[in-house]
Amino acid sequence: GNSVTQMEGPVTLSEEAFLTINCTYTATGYPSLFWYVQYPGEGLQLLLKATKADDKGSNKGFEATYRKETTSFHLEKGSVQVSDSAVYFCALSSDNYGQNFVFGPGTRLSVLP
Amino acid sequence: KAGVTQTPRYLIKTRGQQVTLSCSPISGHRSVSWYQQTPGQGLQFLFEYFSETQRNKGNFPGRFSGRQFSNSRSEMNVSTLELGDSALYLCASSTGTEVYGYTFGSGTRLTVV
Repeated sequence: GNSVTQMEGPVTLSEEAFLTINCTYTATGYPSLFWYVQYPGEGLQLLLKATKADDKGSNKGFEATYRKETTSFHLEKGSVQVSDSAVYFCALSSDNYGQNFVFGPGTRLSVLP
Repeated sequence: KAGVTQTPRYLIKTRGQQVTLSCSPISGHRSVSWYQQTPGQGLQFLFEYFSETQRNKGNFPGRFSGRQFSNSRSEMNVSTLELGDSALYLCASSTGTEVYGYTFGSGTRLTVV
């Protein structure tokens, strides 16, 4: 079946450091890929998405590129802020309607001032 | 526009009782999905409703059920509660016809004692 693997957390960085959170997936066909962020006490928010190979999703300084050859969708940000502290989830959907997601376990990011 | 609204935010129930959670999707969204989030299992898909019909279902026992009304609002019911049902229950809505990703509610925190 489909699955998503993320790097183990927690990840602790200093403000303005470079961020990479690795994500790899296993899926049949051509899934759509997503990054979601969850702040304390809240639900998940869509951060960015990519629906086909070589697509780059970007939002709020975060970027991720859909790499079919390596089945990866790594999340990057050039300069993190304290407000980026949250849990980040990589996810895929191989459903034609973008439903029935499979989520990774999440990576907790803490950014220190 | 209003987001996804889940009620109640917090709930405490006793083993053996039943509980009903409510979700009002974004106006115009016809798909509502439910997820269970726990520290041990992460995010697990329960089921998805589209235009009042269950379209997808995860691997949960029959004690977990749901329904969707003609205005797209959805309810999730858990009968004969067990301690292991303690979790954050997240509802997510989407158009259901395009791969744009979900919009999540803030969740209902259920504690079974």
